[in-house]
Amino acid sequence: GQNIDQPTEMTATEGAIVQINCTYQTSGFNGLFWYQQHAGEAPTFLSYNVLDGLEEKGRFSSFLSRSKGYSYLLLKELQMKDSASYLCAVSRDDKIIFGKGTRLHILP
Amino acid sequence: KAGVTQTPRYLIKTRGQQVTLSCSPISGHRSVSWYQQTPGQGLQFLFEYFSETQRNKGNFPGRFSGRQFSNSRSEMNVSTLELGDSALYLCASYQRGGTDTQYFGPGTRLTVL
Repeated sequence: GQNIDQPTEMTATEGAIVQINCTYQTSGFNGLFWYQQHAGEAPTFLSYNVLDGLEEKGRFSSFLSRSKGYSYLLLKELQMKDSASYLCAVSRDDKIIFGKGTRLHILP
Repeated sequence: KAGVTQTPRYLIKTRGQQVTLSCSPISGHRSVSWYQQTPGQGLQFLFEYFSETQRNKGNFPGRFSGRQFSNSRSEMNVSTLELGDSALYLCASYQRGGTDTQYFGPGTRLTVL
């Protein structure tokens, strides 16, 4: 997805914490989105970061470093329902480009 | 507000046929984007419409086309279907000028036999 890189798959245990990283090209960057997509369903919006730093929203937090072209999504107190794909998307030059997504497996 | 709706939800076609998919955005949203999602390629951008005009286009062949109507509803058309066109086609609507957060419809699952 036009140089948006995120791990293909990750596995974590229920109740634990997991961090999903995303790196991107910084040219023309406006902001970064994270979406959650359960199998067979449409993506749903999780977060949008424009400025550097951490934004917390309940069990989910998203971090952005504009200069490094780096973001992560942090999921705490993992639940089985968090098993899904997590998509990083960059707003750049009037377009929104999606990464290929990270499939997160939660083990009981 | 009602969410984004897409019709039909499922479609089966054969090679060489054409198909038209429809998307109704969230009320008040004038921007609609279309994506193709396959297991190997993830979400790939097809095109974006704003106020009946195509603003951006992805790297898809000319067999893929779209349009937007005055009420912001959008259609996409795929002609001369190929097996590789089997995918989930997602439409997203958003309000330009804000955060550009996209809200996705449930998608149309197209199977080409």
